[in-house]
Parts: sequence; C-alpha cells; structure tokens
Amino acid sequence: GAGVSQSPSNKVTEKGKDVELRCDPISGHTALYWYRQSLGQGLEFLIYFQGNSAPDKSGLPSDRFSAERTGGSVSTLTIQRTQQEDSAVYLCASSLARRTNQPQHFGDGTRLSIL
Amino acid sequence: LAKTTQPISMDSYEGQEVNITCSHNNIATNDYITWYQQFPSQGPRFIIQGYKTKVTNEVASLFIPADRKSSTLSLPRVSLSDTAVYYCLVGSRNSGNTPLVFGKGTRLSVIA
Repeated sequence: GAGVSQSPSNKVTEKGKDVELRCDPISGHTALYWYRQSLGQGLEFLIYFQGNSAPDKSGLPSDRFSAERTGGSVSTLTIQRTQQEDSAVYLCASSLARRTNQPQHFGDGTRLSIL
Repeated sequence: LAKTTQPISMDSYEGQEVNITCSHNNIATNDYITWYQQFPSQGPRFIIQGYKTKVTNEVASLFIPADRKSSTLSLPRVSLSDTAVYYCLVGSRNSGNTPLVFGKGTRLSVIA
C-alpha cells in the first residue's frame, strides 16, 4: 500500500513569506506527527495529532508555526513570516494508534530553504 | 521518557557484524525499545522493537539484558547499503500522547 506522502518535496521561499507543507498519512492511521530535522541533527518533535483529540502542540517553536488535520487524514503545517532559521527538512509520520510503541511510518520530508 | 545515549558514529568494513549499543539507564517498566534507520534524504524507517531478551527479524537482532538499562542492535554482515543513521528510542506502551524523542543517533559508515 501507499506510504506517507509529503508535498512539496522541496520548497524555496524568501524570508517573510508564508509556507504550507502537506502530509498525507497512511490510510487508517489515526496518529500523525510532524518533526523538523536540521542538517546533521536528530529529529525535533513539533506536533502530534491523535484522532479527534486536541493535538499536542508542545514542540512548536513559536506562534508562527501551526498545523491542522482535516477529517482525521491530511495534515498541513503552516509557517508564517518565515525566517532563515526555519530552513530544515520537515518530516511527517503516521502510526496505527495512540500508543507510542506503535512504529511510526515516515514520509521523505519537505526540504525547506529560506533565502 | 527515558533518555538514551548512543555513540555518535561508527565505521565498519563490508561483511562484518556491527553492534550498536544504546544506554537507557532510566527505562521504566512499561517502556519498549525501538530502533529506526535513516538513509540520506529519506525519513526514518522502523527496524526492530523489543521489550526484553532477544528479538530477531530479517534485518537485525536486538539484544536486551535482564536489567534493560541498555540494548544492542546487531546488523549481520553489513554492506555499503547499510550506511545510515541509526536511532534508539525508548517509549511506553501506555503513555498516551507522549511523542517519541529522537536523539542524534549513530552514524554508521560501511567501508568497502
């Protein structure tokens, strides 16, 4: 079956612009996660959705970052007024259930470059 | 979540067995140990998960001693294609919304 799909795969934009990153999780996966990975670094948790529960936003670095998940499926991560330090690979993952020991399935990410 | 510590990097020749050890001294009773592999320009990929003793699948083996304060990922007869970053994570089955925390992982370089 299809894996986690992210779009665009690459995005270059000017500082100050808004960007939207899309994630299409595996069908039937109720949990969806967003991470950020800077060059040569580990993954930084951003936000987590589980079904209809309120999302865990504890990892969002500032109020310029927001995410939504419509209909329990597709998710969009929005970064407003982008800054150069926002440049990174943004990874989305989904898993079967709420329990954290369910393996996460990752997309290949969106590489965001802020000029 | 229990903090994990693993070597930053390792080198190996093709055909050798590679063992990557992860320390998790504060692991809780309900915590499982999960390993992921990440190739350049790709998202991490689940390799193996275990709770105690030994787990083996077609990719790797996971050895967990009785005290569970560490675990060792064993990759048999590595090839150049096993060059990747390997992450060790510890998380609870019943911790609800707790996300998984990825550290910097271990960068494995396989040399011909």
